[in-house]
Amino acid sequence: GQQVMQIPQYQHVQEGEDFTTYCNSSTTLSNIQWYKQRPGGHPVFLIQLVKSGEVKKQKRLTFQFGEAKKNSSLHITATQTTDVGTYFCAGNAGNMLTFGGGTRLMVKP
Amino acid sequence: EAGVAQSPRYKIIEKRQSVAFWCNPISGHATLYWYQQILGQGPKLLIQFQNNGVVDDSQLPKDRFSAERLKGVDSTLKIQPAKLEDSAVYLCASTFGPGDTEAFFGQGTRLTVV
Repeated sequence: GQQVMQIPQYQHVQEGEDFTTYCNSSTTLSNIQWYKQRPGGHPVFLIQLVKSGEVKKQKRLTFQFGEAKKNSSLHITATQTTDVGTYFCAGNAGNMLTFGGGTRLMVKP
Repeated sequence: EAGVAQSPRYKIIEKRQSVAFWCNPISGHATLYWYQQILGQGPKLLIQFQNNGVVDDSQLPKDRFSAERLKGVDSTLKIQPAKLEDSAVYLCASTFGPGDTEAFFGQGTRLTVV
């Protein structure tokens, strides 16, 4: 079945440093979604990418979808303590949404 | 717009007991998902409904887990009998369509099996 892998599993950064998480799917995706889950909370939708090579920005967050539609990345510029949480990618293939294992971001003030 | 409602929020049961979780998706959302999220891991899809039909239940341990969405609206997930390794947060999510739009999650039910 479809597998979605994310790296790294954990990332500690100093406030103000940049952060990137990478997502790879075993199958070609029709779209990819990114979610953020705060400690003790539930996943909250951030964005969806559909087109090959697509890049979208939300303030300090930049999302990319690979040309082959099998990988994606999320980059946060100048992290803040409010960015703390686990970031999940979720790949949609065959109308099934499969989540990666997530990258837990910890920010030291 | 009301969100996805789940109950109960927390449940503690002994192994071999039964438990049921309830989910009411966002009104008008045809697709409903049940995910199992073990601590420190990503949500794992257990079952996906499109209206009242099952789209995928390949990862549902059918010897002990069952789910239904009889009228195509709310859904129940049951575990019988529970095992220690079933301890997890059970998340319900809904989407307007099958995976092509954002998934809205409920608060989840935290199950502890002792």
